[in-house]
Order: sequence, then structure tokens, then C-alpha cells
Amino acid sequence: QVQLQESGPGLVKPSETLSLTCTVSGDSITGYYWGWIRQSPGKGLECIGYIYYNGNTNYNPSFRGRVTISVDTSKNQFSLKLTSATAADTAVYFCARPLLGLSGVKGIYYFDHWGQGIPVTVSS
Amino acid sequence: DIQMTQSPSSLSASVGDRVTLTCRASQVISNYLNWYQQTPGKAPKLLIYGGSTLQGGVPSRFSGSFSGRDFTLTISSLEPADFATYYCQQSFSTPWTFGPGTKVEIK
Repeated sequence: QVQLQESGPGLVKPSETLSLTCTVSGDSITGYYWGWIRQSPGKGLECIGYIYYNGNTNYNPSFRGRVTISVDTSKNQFSLKLTSATAADTAVYFCARPLLGLSGVKGIYYFDHWGQGIPVTVSS
Repeated sequence: DIQMTQSPSSLSASVGDRVTLTCRASQVISNYLNWYQQTPGKAPKLLIYGGSTLQGGVPSRFSGSFSGRDFTLTISSLEPADFATYYCQQSFSTPWTFGPGTKVEIK
């Protein structure tokens, strides 16, 4: 059974970089996409972006210029960096696996495994 | 970005009730629509993908259907564990987006 676990600071100062890591266990990170999603009362659930195990990324334009997602296959981990943090980045951050599954004859992406979430507050 | 709306935003129901939740996409997304259930303090849990395909291990009282831009999640007979917030999510085009959720509360 695949398990994901977020880790990182729960408090970040404004203008600093929010950095989180997701450790994957129960399966190899190789061969899959891996993503970050956040949830805040104001904006609900937002997809931040995702990365393929080979390093190819896709970022939400809302975060472009501030976000970097990277992968370390040797550690079975992937990471999120969000620069110039503001109070608006205060949220619960989830890592998750976007899996390509079949619905009928179509390939559909869906998040089949999630971490438990880590609350991050941006405040001085 | 594709906007997802959900209705109602909340509803009250009793154990054993049949409930239907609705999600609408701002444009045609074929069946690239997934449903999740979230309870307080937990991560969302996948229920249905592709508009109507039940994820493995999800009880058969959950079902999904769609027509055009409109998607429905039906719970045929509510059980205590079903009181939660339900989100739809489109994976037709990036950025993938979620609806604001429907909270199902105990009457």
C-alpha cells in the first residue's frame, strides 16, 4: 500500500521560502507522477503542480515564477519550494499521486493516494 | 482555468436517505471528472473517477453519472460514515481544478 508523508516547517516568515518534502513508501517513485495540492478556507483545494519521476514538471500558472517541484528518486522523495511566501500561502499542504487510470477506454488522471496533510502558517 | 461549481453548498440528511450532489464544469470536460470525500482533519479520499467509475474498495452505495457539463454523485442510502464534505475535480486540462465542495450534515 502506497503511503505519502509530508514534512517541513509549520511556520514560515513572510517573504521567505516555504519548503516541504513528501516521502513515498510502499512503492517506488519511479514510473509515476507526484503532485502538491493545498487547501485553505479562502481558496479551497488548489493544485499547485506535479512532477514526473524523470523531472518533467507542470505548474499551475497561479504559482508560476514562485514554485519549484523537484524529485529525488534515490530517497523516494519529492519536494515543493514556494518563494516569497505571504499570508495568502497559509494552508494545509497535501502531497498526492496523480494516477492515470482507465475509465471505459479513456485514460483519466485522478489523485488516488494522499498524504495526511501538513498545516503551514506564514506569519512573522 | 476551468471553473467547477457544486450545489448545494450544504445539505442536511438522515441515515438511510438517498442524496444527490451536483457538480458543473464551466466548459465541456467529457468524463474527466473525479469525486472525493473529505472528513475533518483528513485528506480527501477518491470515490469515483471518470465521472462514473467506482474506485476499488468504495461501497456500491456511491455512484456517479454525467450529462454534458453536469455531473452527479448519488449516495443511495446514507450511512453514518458518509457525513463529510464532497469535492469534484476536473482533470480535462491543467491546471486541474476542484469544486468548492458540498457538506453533507446530519439532520
